[in-house]
Amino acid sequence: QVQLQESGSGLVKPSQTLVLTCSVSDASTTYSNYSWTWVRQPPGKGLEWIGYVYYSGSAYFNPSLQSRVSISVDRTARQVSLMLSSVTAADTAVYYCARSINRVTTRYIDVWGKGATVTISS
Amino acid sequence: DIQLTQSPSSLSASVGDRVTITCRASQSIHTYVNWYQHKSGKAPKTLLYGASKLEGGVPSRITGSGSGTEFTLTITSLQPEDIATYYCQQSYSNPWTFGQGTKVEIK
Repeated sequence: QVQLQESGSGLVKPSQTLVLTCSVSDASTTYSNYSWTWVRQPPGKGLEWIGYVYYSGSAYFNPSLQSRVSISVDRTARQVSLMLSSVTAADTAVYYCARSINRVTTRYIDVWGKGATVTISS
Repeated sequence: DIQLTQSPSSLSASVGDRVTITCRASQSIHTYVNWYQHKSGKAPKTLLYGASKLEGGVPSRITGSGSGTEFTLTITSLQPEDIATYYCQQSYSNPWTFGQGTKVEIK
């Protein structure tokens, strides 16, 4: 079973850029039937979809974050990256990397990472 | 954006009870609804996709149904390991959205 492991800075200063990397344990990043998704959970709140990137490189983001977020995939390194700029305390959350099956008839997250806690504070 | 409303927000039931969680969408999403189980401090787990298809390894006491705007997740016999928060999620259109979650506890 594929495993996803998030890593990155756990503490980011306000106005700076949050960068997280997700390491994928198998060759899923080279398969065209998967897209790569990030989801976050602020403290005491529910899950929030950040966005995903297709194998083609096309990406879709939550409109509430669209101006500040990017997601990219390095297929050969088996890594997925999230960048979120101009962060504020409202971006404090557990960030989950996830693999999605994204076909016309079937679209869902099938594998989740364990999550990375990110705190925005000076 | 498509809004998903789950009910109840929380519930308490006894081991062996039948538990039902409802998810209502603000517009038709056909069967593009998925269900996830989230235990505190752990990675979410995928339970169902396409409204009723069971993900591999998920016990058969968990079932899903519905289409259009109303969906249900049912646990036919609640077990202690089912204690978690359950989320529905729609993948019919971008942005994907989640329901607010239903916390399930043992009475």
